[in-house]
Amino acid sequence: DGGITQSPKYLFRKEGQNVTLSCEQNLNHDAMYWYRQDPGQGLRLIYYSQIVNDFQKGDIAEGYSVSREKKESFPLTVTSAQKNPTAFYLCASSLLGNYGYTFGSGTRLTVV
Amino acid sequence: GQQLNQSPQSMFIQEGEDVSMNCTSSSIFNTWLWYKQDPGEGPVLLIALYKAGELTSNGRLTAQFGITRKDSFLNISASIPSDVGIYFCAGYNTDKLIFGTGTRLQVFP
Repeated sequence: DGGITQSPKYLFRKEGQNVTLSCEQNLNHDAMYWYRQDPGQGLRLIYYSQIVNDFQKGDIAEGYSVSREKKESFPLTVTSAQKNPTAFYLCASSLLGNYGYTFGSGTRLTVV
Repeated sequence: GQQLNQSPQSMFIQEGEDVSMNCTSSSIFNTWLWYKQDPGEGPVLLIALYKAGELTSNGRLTAQFGITRKDSFLNISASIPSDVGIYFCAGYNTDKLIFGTGTRLQVFP
């Protein structure tokens, strides 16, 4: 079955460490997205990519980095420069155009 | 960044009641989508609307694309406990979706 997989589901890191969240899709979607969700809040766009080797900043890109070396994969690195990294991170993918996104089940990152 | 305004922010209803929520924007959209997020999971697409004035149903859910293209509405009829979650609207803007602030629904037996 086609889908989008985020791993791990829960992640704990010490303050000051970089951490990479994985996102893989086998839907043959061109575009992929990373969102951050804080408790009781909506979805805020971090980065998105519409084609391999290209990506654009979203609304809250500071302290994050991404790569898109393969169509299927769009990992997100939360760097030590991100001041408040504890949050629920959602990855999504879609066909190009005005189509709905398919979301992964999320990664809950806790930085202590 | 831009976010769509959803109301109400939260709702507490009794099982069996009907629910209405809406989403408004200062911008025109050509596509409106409604998602539901269960606790600890990613949002799942419920309904997609592609034409102004369009009314679309999916089981007990009915959504409408506002005639001005600046708003959309979602109705849930005869609510059940598994309707609990956060409902997000989204409008397509050039090259990405803009999401609403969410409506949190709680259903009591």
